[in-house]
Amino acid sequence: GNSVTQMEGPVTLSEEAFLTINCTYTATGYPSLFWYVQYPGEGLQLLLKATKADDKGSNKGFEATYRKETTSFHLEKGSVQVSDSAVYFCALSLEKLTFGTGTRLTIIP
Amino acid sequence: NAGVTQTPKFQVLKTGQSMTLQCAQDMNHEYMSWYRQDPGMGLRLIHYSVGAGITDQGEVPNGYNVSRSTTEDFPLRLLSAAPSQTSVYFCASRTGGARGLEQYFGPGTRLTVT
Repeated sequence: GNSVTQMEGPVTLSEEAFLTINCTYTATGYPSLFWYVQYPGEGLQLLLKATKADDKGSNKGFEATYRKETTSFHLEKGSVQVSDSAVYFCALSLEKLTFGTGTRLTIIP
Repeated sequence: NAGVTQTPKFQVLKTGQSMTLQCAQDMNHEYMSWYRQDPGMGLRLIHYSVGAGITDQGEVPNGYNVSRSTTEDFPLRLLSAAPSQTSVYFCASRTGGARGLEQYFGPGTRLTVT
């Protein structure tokens, strides 16, 4: 079946640090890939997506590249802010959306 | 547009009670889904619908029923609540067609079963 494995948290970083959250997937087919973000007390919001190999999704300074050869979609940001503190979910979509377990990120000033 | 709305925000039930979690969307989306979110397990699909009158089971359907009589509404029914159903429930919707399209999530319902 389809599955998503993402870096376990929690992750704590200082403001302006470089962020990487790893995500790899297994899929029977050619999925679209997503990163969703969940701020405290809220639902999930789409952060970025990529629909084919070598596509790069980007939004709010975050980036992720669809790597078919390594079945990965790692999330990166060059300089994190306190406002980036949230839970981040990697997900894949064929007919249905399959989520990873989430990574809680805390940024300290 | 209100997007995806869910009621109630919080609910406490006793074991064996029944209730309905409401979900509505005003974006004319064909696809609607219910997920539950549990610590360390991400979001798991309970039931989904690809259009009015059509529903199907997801990954964890036991103990839940759904119906889709209109495009806008997709209620989730707990028939006889159990402590294992303590969770945060999210409803989501998206347009039909291409699989790359974004899902829009509601704010969630936090359910506690005692």
